[in-house]
This record gives sequence, C-alpha cells and structure tokens, in this order.
Amino acid sequence: DQQVKQNSPSLSVQEGRISILNCDYTNSMFDYFLWYKKYPAEGPTFLISISSIKDKNEDGRFTVFLNKSAKHLSLHIVPSQPGDSAVYFCAASGEAGANNLFFGTGTRLTVIP
Amino acid sequence: ETGVTQTPRHLVMGMTNKKSLKCEQHLGHNAMYWYKQSAKKPLELMFVYNFKEQTENNSVPSRFSPECPNSSHLFLHLHTLQPEDSALYLCASSQDQRTYEQYFGPGTRLTVT
Repeated sequence: DQQVKQNSPSLSVQEGRISILNCDYTNSMFDYFLWYKKYPAEGPTFLISISSIKDKNEDGRFTVFLNKSAKHLSLHIVPSQPGDSAVYFCAASGEAGANNLFFGTGTRLTVIP
Repeated sequence: ETGVTQTPRHLVMGMTNKKSLKCEQHLGHNAMYWYKQSAKKPLELMFVYNFKEQTENNSVPSRFSPECPNSSHLFLHLHTLQPEDSALYLCASSQDQRTYEQYFGPGTRLTVT
C-alpha cells in the first residue's frame, strides 16, 4: 500500500505563472519530507526539504508547505521557467529512519514558454 | 568524475545470464542505496549499506545480491532474473545513515528477455 501519493501524473503551466505540485501521505509517523526533481536520462536530484516541526520552507523560487493535520504537502514554484520542466517526486521519512525514504510516483511538470 | 556514477546505463540480459551493476560515488559519503523503479510505480528501496555494512534488505529476492567492498563502491549482482525484474535500477548515496538527503546516479535501464 502506497504511503506517499502524488495523484496528478502531469501538470502544465505557462511560463512566469505559479506551479503547484501536491503530495499526500498516510503515515502520521513521517517527520521529514523531501522533493526531488528528475530530468530524462538523469537520476533524481534533491530540491528542497521540510521537517515536520515547520509548516513552510523557502529556497529561492521554491517553497514547500506542510499541512500535518491534512497529511498534505505541496511544492510551489514561482515564477515557473521552461527549465523547470521535469518529473517531481515527493518523498517522506519517519520512524524507519533517515535511510528509509518512501517515494511518490511523480508528477511531470511542463512549463510552456 | 563527480557525484554518483552507474554502469552500464543500459543492459539487456536473458533469464539465465549473470550480470552485475556497478555504482561509484565521489562524494565521500558513507551510506549507499539500491532502488528499483518500475513503470508507473514509486521508487522502491532495495538495499542500504552504512559504512560497508548492509543495514536494510527490503524483502528483495535472492536473485539480487548486493556487494559493498568499500564506502565508494556498490554492486548489484543479478542472476536468473525474471522479465518482471525489468526496470530502472538507481543507486544513491548519503553522508551517513542519519542524513535524509540522498544523491542519485543516472540509473541502469535493465531489460530481462
């Protein structure tokens, strides 16, 4: 049973607008969340993370929001750029330890110039 | 070479073959991982090594055999695989077992015929 879910397989956004990628989780013991970005023929690269003691973490154009009561997190990219077009994976970790990351299936973001 | 490298990038093997996947990290990390990504499924953790010791085996069939001769190198030995083992195999590393952020290689696309 998937503990981390990304229910939107794809998202298209106009350049300059905001991209919002969503992720839901079921395990209330998760206490650390990460977003990875993957280009074709490359491995996932770490983008941004958030601890469960926070509800927001910002890094340049990227902001991650965490809603623990709803078991939901989102990644906001603003403004979106064509180079942001990639597959974005949400991951979570908790009681099983930092080594054990649970990933979602990914959302393919396309930023239209 | 920088980051995490994997060879070969593509591999086609018959069910009776024996082959090995190689991963090397140039980041000075002490933890290394094997993941499997099948089509439309999330990344699945297979094995974890911390300081060359295996600390996680995620119920992986014995036809997959990992080897970690030192902190920089990780192998995945394959024998008598099944067609359903066809997938993208990703290697990752992190500073140590307490670090959440993992750095991924580009993966080996494996096809079992």
